[in-house]
Amino acid sequence: DTGVSQNPRHKITKRGQNVTFRCDPISEHNRLYWYRQTLGQGPEFLTYFQNEAQLEKSRLLSDRFSAERPKGSFSTLEIQRTEQGDSAMYLCASSLTSGGPHGELFFGEGSRLTVL
Amino acid sequence: DAKTTQPTSMDCAEGRAANLPCNHSTISGNEYVYWYRQIHSQGPQYIIHGLKNNETNEMASLIITEDRKSSTLILPHATLRDTAVYYCIVRVGGTYKYIFGTGTRLKVLA
Repeated sequence: DTGVSQNPRHKITKRGQNVTFRCDPISEHNRLYWYRQTLGQGPEFLTYFQNEAQLEKSRLLSDRFSAERPKGSFSTLEIQRTEQGDSAMYLCASSLTSGGPHGELFFGEGSRLTVL
Repeated sequence: DAKTTQPTSMDCAEGRAANLPCNHSTISGNEYVYWYRQIHSQGPQYIIHGLKNNETNEMASLIITEDRKSSTLILPHATLRDTAVYYCIVRVGGTYKYIFGTGTRLKVLA
């Protein structure tokens, strides 16, 4: 299957620990997005990349959050000193820039974080 | 930041058409309307998008009003598997950032 892959699917951690999530987009897609989703809410935009360049970051992405896409392929989202409020599903999506402005997003299954 | 408004929830009888409305009164002339759905515990799935003409694909039809301030997603023959949260979104002008609202929770009833 060549869809968007996210790892780990589930992560339980204690408050104060650091966690890292990985996203492998569809291979030819040059845009990559991170969203966060809490129960009963729609996905909240966090950041997006075009190739290796991080083009925009949400105010939601505090100093404890950092995202990278070093070679324009996979991406990592790190959360330092986790807090209970960070508990959420972290969704990754990718898209193509070519083929017009459509930019359909393909989402992964998400990484669920629980902070105890 | 959200640029769309949708009803919180809707019910639809199995086999009937489900019509999901969306208001996007501040949409710009070159912004597309996209629809996604999210089945419980899965990532959102693309359904359809449009600019100003009505669109149809194997999943749904999209009707956009002439002034482009609102649209309706139509699932012609809803099944139980169509029970999901449906999101109507537009891209933030000048960027490739897509902002989701809270969506419409559609329940298809047997």
